[in-house]
Amino acid sequence: DTEVTQTPKHLVMGMTNKKSLKCEQHMGHRAMYWYKQKAKKPPELMFVYSYEKLSINESVPSRFSPECPNSSLLNLHLHALQPEDSALYLCASSQRPTSASGYTFGSGTRLTVV
Amino acid sequence: AQSVTQPDIHITVSEGASLELRCNYSYGATPYLFWYVQSPGQGLQLLLKYFSGDTLVQGIKGFEAEFKRSQSSFNLRKPSVHWSDAAEYFCAVGGAEYGNKLVFGAGTILRVKS
Repeated sequence: DTEVTQTPKHLVMGMTNKKSLKCEQHMGHRAMYWYKQKAKKPPELMFVYSYEKLSINESVPSRFSPECPNSSLLNLHLHALQPEDSALYLCASSQRPTSASGYTFGSGTRLTVV
Repeated sequence: AQSVTQPDIHITVSEGASLELRCNYSYGATPYLFWYVQSPGQGLQLLLKYFSGDTLVQGIKGFEAEFKRSQSSFNLRKPSVHWSDAAEYFCAVGGAEYGNKLVFGAGTILRVKS
């Protein structure tokens, strides 16, 4: 298995909703990442998990809450989002918690906040 | 400031013609260099990567890239473009000098005309 699987592929949520994005990999990678990508822009790093511990938070608002239940799973809990949070959310993983090994990306969750 | 520059926002080439996408990075003695491709609404796929050794690296789908330290460049090339190559291409740089994060360029949108 050489894939990063993200669910759901599409999500529409209201500003008062609570939802979660899920990411799964079975490559034995020990680092996992959340990126946010707005239209016509490059991906922007949000969070890094290294050996299941949060190692980098790029000053992301608290309405985004990451969780890494085990080495294969990464969740992003969403609460009280704003319309400007609408974007493609990408999960990625790498063998080691450095960028040297290259990242494997999932196909993303297209989030629309209404 | 740390940066990755892709000077061409859009490039249009004819099917069968050669392609070169430019990428320059701002600093780093030994950066880790990557090219990713993204089709609309999809995740990012790694085309190739360079860490050390031979400065000409081969990737998937017939792409290659050459690292030139003197020019701080890592340009992507393909000798004959196919219509299916139409997508957005991102250059990325990582390594210790970049906080062990993956820093993306702004991307180049490739259009292929028949």
